[in-house]
Amino acid sequence: QVQLVQSGAEVKKPGSSVKVSCKTSGGTFGSDGVSWVRQAPGQGPEWVGRIIPILGIANSAQKFQGRVTVTADKSTNTVYMELSSLTAEDTALYYCARVASTRIGHDFSYYMDVWGKGTTVTVSS
Amino acid sequence: EIVLTQSPGTLSLSPGERATLSCRASQSVSSTQLAWYQQKPGQAPRLLIFGASSRATGIPDRFSGSGSGTDFTLTISRLEPEDFAVYYCQHYGTSLTFGGGTKVEIK
Repeated sequence: QVQLVQSGAEVKKPGSSVKVSCKTSGGTFGSDGVSWVRQAPGQGPEWVGRIIPILGIANSAQKFQGRVTVTADKSTNTVYMELSSLTAEDTALYYCARVASTRIGHDFSYYMDVWGKGTTVTVSS
Repeated sequence: EIVLTQSPGTLSLSPGERATLSCRASQSVSSTQLAWYQQKPGQAPRLLIFGASSRATGIPDRFSGSGSGTDFTLTISRLEPEDFAVYYCQHYGTSLTFGGGTKVEIK
């Protein structure tokens, strides 16, 4: 049973950067990649970015482009999300989630089936 | 960017009742890329449905999904106490989007 183990809580100053890690336990990420999703207090989930480690391809939500970098270390089965130029609005719980796929007819359905427990990032002066 | 609008915002029901949750997309989407998640306080989202209507592993058959194009529905046939939670629809594409959520609360 694959589990995703995330790094611990972070407290950062405005303008600084944070790097959160997500390591698999009991397996690998698979071929469909890992997404990062954040959730501000009392809000719904918001997609941040994703990476397909075996291909080294990453992309992010337009809102975060230029500020977020998603990378992977295949040798350690670890994915990283780095967010720069932090503001108080970046205070949130950051989740990593494994992307999986199932063939349905002639297409593949993609979804997030295993989630980490989340990493709290607090931005405060 | 695709916007997902969920309704109602809150659904107040009693255990044993049927819950019908709606998710409307701002433009037609492939049903294979529409998923539903359940989230309880202090927990990560949990995958319920993928491909609009396929139940994820271990999900009870009282949960069902349907829909196509721009209109999708999650139905819980008979609410159990553990089903009171917030539910999100989500589209997987070039970017990923989530709906605003429907809270199913005990009446």
